[in-house]
Amino acid sequence: DSGVTQTPKHLITATGQRVTLRCSPRSGDLSVYWYQQSLDQGLQFLIQYYNGEERAKGNILERFSAQQFPDLHSELNLSSLELGDSALYFCASSAGTSGDLTDTQYFGPGTRLTVL
Amino acid sequence: EDQVTQSPEALRLQEGESSSLNCSYTVSGLRGLFWYRQDPGKGPEFLFTLYSAGEEKEKERLKATLTKKESFLHITAPKPEDSATYLCAVGGYNKLIFGAGTRLAVHP
Repeated sequence: DSGVTQTPKHLITATGQRVTLRCSPRSGDLSVYWYQQSLDQGLQFLIQYYNGEERAKGNILERFSAQQFPDLHSELNLSSLELGDSALYFCASSAGTSGDLTDTQYFGPGTRLTVL
Repeated sequence: EDQVTQSPEALRLQEGESSSLNCSYTVSGLRGLFWYRQDPGKGPEFLFTLYSAGEEKEKERLKATLTKKESFLHITAPKPEDSATYLCAVGGYNKLIFGAGTRLAVHP
């Protein structure tokens, strides 16, 4: 158990809908990262927040957005969902005080999103 | 172009049969190379971080090494519980790129 928690574990929804995924980092970790993993794309970095502020952005679609709250938990919002958004979404956290993308990251168990 | 390539894509070993997984990379300004283990449907589990050529790290039956162009994950006398996908990730300035992984199956 990495100490990173994600809810829900599974989410089934329809095209065009909007969903919110939640992540709680390890105690004391300031950075939260979001990833998408699909069968054909592998693990893709989406976005990083450090102590409430956006720190780095990867291949995140404009339909997706994230935020990190004062208690350091984070939410990933996915809107106007398409069939191709079906994937595993992972959150990771790190203890690095620099908020660098290359700080060692510890991953949560993931949320499996299915868009029908 | 920054790139991380893992080989082989899949590897089948008999229990006790040692082997190596490869991660080759072209990333400017290497700031760290990471190895993770991932079981089906679960989050990646951190194994090692390597920072400079010549560095080596060990954990149980696993040993990771790093050169200027590639990293190897050596598995000595593997057991069936070592079966998983092993992911390599390479970090540069403001970037972190994951390879596609090597699926390892160890049979008794």
